[in-house]
Amino acid sequence: QVQLVQSGAEVKKPGSSVKVSCKASGGTFSSYTISWVRQAPGQGLEWMGRIIPILGIANYAQKFQGRVTITADKSTSTAYMELSSLRSEDTAVYYCASGVSSWFNFDYWGQGTLVTVSS
Amino acid sequence: EIVMTQSPATLSVSPGERATLSCRASQSVSSNLAWYQQKPGQAPRLLIYGASTRATGIPARFSGSGSGTEFTLTISSLQSEDFAVYYCQQYEAFGGGTKVEIK
Repeated sequence: QVQLVQSGAEVKKPGSSVKVSCKASGGTFSSYTISWVRQAPGQGLEWMGRIIPILGIANYAQKFQGRVTITADKSTSTAYMELSSLRSEDTAVYYCASGVSSWFNFDYWGQGTLVTVSS
Repeated sequence: EIVMTQSPATLSVSPGERATLSCRASQSVSSNLAWYQQKPGQAPRLLIYGASTRATGIPARFSGSGSGTEFTLTISSLQSEDFAVYYCQQYEAFGGGTKVEIK
């Protein structure tokens, strides 16, 4: 079983960037994917992107292309999601999730990180 | 881009009754369909993957079916802990969710 622990809540100014971490334990970090999914207040789930640590390859939802960067540090089993040019609409809970049964499923989830964008 | 549509948006069910949730894909996705449960203030939890395979630790009252573009999640006898929002997902697309509430 994989456990994912995310970094704490953030408050950011419009136009700035935020970087959220997701530390994994259990399983073999390089053998599964890590995705980032966000949820705005009272809204549904939105996939942002995914990294395949064993390949070092990330792909992103078209909506976030150019604004999001997902990386992974295999030495510490930690994935990161950095979102730039923040605006108020980016206020949301950001989750990391691991794809174990399939690279395209989200078998295990982090606890979520609230990012608030406010002037 | 695949669009996932869930119905109904809200389902009112009495405890012990059966609940049937639907998910439709805008194009065929074979059996690559997963279902998640989310309770207020919690992260989603994987229930079903591959359209019909229960994830580890998921009770047998949850079952999934379907292929192609039409999928169903059935909860055979609703327990108090099952009142939540349910999402279907295929690759990078999530449905809008179905809220299962107490009737």
